[in-house]
Amino acid sequence: SFELTQPPSVSVSPGQTARITCSGNSLSEQYVYWYQQMPGQAPVLVIYKDIERPSGIPERFSGSNSGTTGTLTISGVQAEDEADYYCQSVQDNTVLFGGGTKLTVL
Amino acid sequence: QVQLLESGGAVVQPGKSLRLSCVASGFAFSDYGMHWVRQAPGKGLEWVAVIWYDGSQEYYGESLKGRFTISRDDSLKTVYLQMNSLRVEDTAVYFCARDPPHYYYMDVWGKGTTVTV
Repeated sequence: SFELTQPPSVSVSPGQTARITCSGNSLSEQYVYWYQQMPGQAPVLVIYKDIERPSGIPERFSGSNSGTTGTLTISGVQAEDEADYYCQSVQDNTVLFGGGTKLTVL
Repeated sequence: QVQLLESGGAVVQPGKSLRLSCVASGFAFSDYGMHWVRQAPGKGLEWVAVIWYDGSQEYYGESLKGRFTISRDDSLKTVYLQMNSLRVEDTAVYFCARDPPHYYYMDVWGKGTTVTV
């Protein structure tokens, strides 16, 4: 079955680069999407179609997808980036989310 | 301003039914597919269902087939989620979200409505 695997947690200091991975079979054949969710709030789309950034999302957010791994990169992490991040993809008209990664800014 | 507003969440007993609604504003509703996504307390996101922009196709999460039904009324700019035979494990915040056609992702989300079984 199609599954997306994310690390449960990632920790970085302010100003450093955070990389959150999303692994899944045949992931390179599908687009990967990324959402940020603050506690008690709805998710927000931060990356779509692997690399595209919606308007209003800071340039420090970027995405990539190669082989079986999609990656969300946050350059120059700020305290306000502390949140849960979810990857998402699609297979056979079925949407799948990764388990989520909690980003902690030290 | 693009907005989605869910309603209908409640506390219900196992085995009962509930219908959630999501009203859209600020965009051409009939041009977009719509999703329902849920999140159990302290857990991750789980996709529930999608309905195409023209209502011609519906798809569901594997564990939900047969109990939940998604539908839409373009005249009311509303998408619905009919939930039958509710189980304790259906307890969650239910979000509706907008889907740019043919890509199956969520570019706008509502704030969610809480269902407790």
